[in-house]
Amino acid sequence: AQSVTQLDSHVSVSEGTPVLLRCNYSSSYSPSLFWYVQHPNKGLQLLLKYTSAATLVKGINGFEAEFKKSETSFHLTKPSAHMSDAAEYFCVVSHGASGTYKYIFGTGTRLKVLA
Amino acid sequence: SQTIHQWPATLVQPVGSPLSLECTVEGTSNPNLYWYRQAAGRGLQLLFYSVGIGQISSEVPQNLSASRPQDRQFILSSKKLLLSDSGFYLCAWSVHRGSPLHFGNGTRLTVT
Repeated sequence: AQSVTQLDSHVSVSEGTPVLLRCNYSSSYSPSLFWYVQHPNKGLQLLLKYTSAATLVKGINGFEAEFKKSETSFHLTKPSAHMSDAAEYFCVVSHGASGTYKYIFGTGTRLKVLA
Repeated sequence: SQTIHQWPATLVQPVGSPLSLECTVEGTSNPNLYWYRQAAGRGLQLLFYSVGIGQISSEVPQNLSASRPQDRQFILSSKKLLLSDSGFYLCAWSVHRGSPLHFGNGTRLTVT
């Protein structure tokens, strides 16, 4: 069975400092992994995806994530936080048997950026 | 390019009233379609997904139902709303296994 654990429900960083949002997954098969960002009362926007290619994945807005199979982790990082990064972030794992596709979401991490 | 439309953006309904939320996708054929619900301060709960016309998989037994009358149309319904149905409803689509989900802008439902 698939599952996703986002280890921090809230993270606060100062503007200009690095961001680390942690995600661990469980999957019986080779997973596809994603990070999404959600601003208040908005839909979710894809930041980046891992689908068994390069383990270091670069996304939009300067974010990147590294797939570590041995640690079953897919942590999201950014070298320097910007005020506009304040939002909720979701880690997602996907695996589907033939013809069906289920996506399992973590509970989210709310990122606060301090001026 | 592909786009997803979800409406209405906000909805206030009394307890016991019916519900119909609609979602359509443009620019792609035979998408996989999904309905999620997001309660305040919580993650996303998968409600239904569909891999084809008339094919609906339900993930959580509840007061809601879904239908897919056309290839790119996905409808979420209820005959009688409960207070617990309040939340933020998101429609999404994907092309195939391993491909990203693409979300609509969501519907904020308040049941009073």
